[in-house]
Amino acid sequence: AQRVTQPEKLLSVFKGAPVELKCNYSYSGSPELFWYVQYSRQRLQLLLRHISRESIKGFTADLNKGETSFHLKKPFAQEEDSAMYYCALSGRTGGGNKLTFGTGTQLKVEL
Amino acid sequence: GAGVSQSPRYKVAKRGQDVALRCDPISGHVSLFWYQQALGQGPEFLTYFQNEAQLDKSGLPSDRFFAERPEGSVSTLKIQRTQQEDSAVYLCASSKGLAATDTQYFGPGTRLTVL
Repeated sequence: AQRVTQPEKLLSVFKGAPVELKCNYSYSGSPELFWYVQYSRQRLQLLLRHISRESIKGFTADLNKGETSFHLKKPFAQEEDSAMYYCALSGRTGGGNKLTFGTGTQLKVEL
Repeated sequence: GAGVSQSPRYKVAKRGQDVALRCDPISGHVSLFWYQQALGQGPEFLTYFQNEAQLDKSGLPSDRFFAERPEGSVSTLKIQRTQQEDSAVYLCASSKGLAATDTQYFGPGTRLTVL
């Protein structure tokens, strides 16, 4: 069975401080990992995916298969980063690539 | 272009009523997904369509839940004899292809409240 764990429900940091949102996963195959973000009153949207190895809005995430982690990092938090962040794993079952989400971490960036 | 749209945005139902939730995916998207998001939780998979074929319905919580996508475009999620535990936000997502790396684009959701 596939599972995604986000241990922190709320993470509060000051503007300019580093941010790390934790994500651990459990999956028997080779996982595809994603971070989705939901800003206030907006729909869920893709932030980044591990296969792209890209930096979006200053965020990066490295897949660590040994530790089964995919933590999201940003060196300097901005006020506009305040949002709900979900880590998700795409697993191929039943012919489809359904996403399994963690419970989410609310990031609050304070001035 | 237009994103995924869902209607209604809000639905209040009395326990025992039937409800129908609609999803309009992005035009041309082959894959369509339904998720249920309870308060304080992440979205949970309900069912998956590839064009008009429902290939995975393993996440549907009971036989009161039924989904269809008859022409491979618009999809409807129907809940019969609603119960209070059905109260949640129902999210629809579509993706262009079939790959595990394909981006899923989400709609705004339908918030269902069962009284």
